[in-house]
Amino acid sequence: SAVISQKPSRDICQRGTSLTIQCQVDSQVTMMFWYRQQPGQSLTLIATANQGSEATYESGFVIDKFPISRPNLTFSTLTVSNMSPEDSSIYLCSVALLSSYNEQFFGPGTRLTVL
Amino acid sequence: EDKVVQSPLSLVVHEGDTVTLNCSYEVTNFRSLLWYKQEKKAPTFLFMLTSSGIEKKSGRLSSILDKKELFSILNITATQTGDSAVYLCADNRPNSGGSNYKLTFGKGTLLTVNP
Repeated sequence: SAVISQKPSRDICQRGTSLTIQCQVDSQVTMMFWYRQQPGQSLTLIATANQGSEATYESGFVIDKFPISRPNLTFSTLTVSNMSPEDSSIYLCSVALLSSYNEQFFGPGTRLTVL
Repeated sequence: EDKVVQSPLSLVVHEGDTVTLNCSYEVTNFRSLLWYKQEKKAPTFLFMLTSSGIEKKSGRLSSILDKKELFSILNITATQTGDSAVYLCADNRPNSGGSNYKLTFGKGTLLTVNP
């Protein structure tokens, strides 16, 4: 597996502001992903973070709202832009290792509350 | 979108009981079926299943996949209070662009093990 860290672990933000979440992994990985888990719901994939190119977004998620960067094989950021209370969720990054494409391992998550 | 359906949604048992959690999926062009345990924020990886009829085992937990009937089960024997968690299953299928794969999660089963 891999050691994955996320910053911040939690935050409380005001409506209309933006928050950038960082994900760092201790080894080079093939794939990095960003998920959202709204209260009482399961995990929903936001996008696949591609190294050196634009992220691949899932239906219902757009780059203007959730810009993503992945400058190298071990680091990615997700920004939640122009936040509203509906964006209050846990945001998780996950990685797929070079050695095992199928298995995904999750970071500790960021709990976001928007007032 | 093809769904992943887990049952039961919640389950309360006593320590020492054996439980069986169910996961059915619809997508046929998938690569694997994965099980995770989620206690606080981050899901922790349990099993990845790719072949029918081959049981994966880790201590008191075991899982098996039926690709003909499109379902998987997760068994936990001699349950302990530390097994209390949400158990998630996910299928690994092509993403929106078709260039990579993504996990699609069920809603999870909330297991509560009472002393």
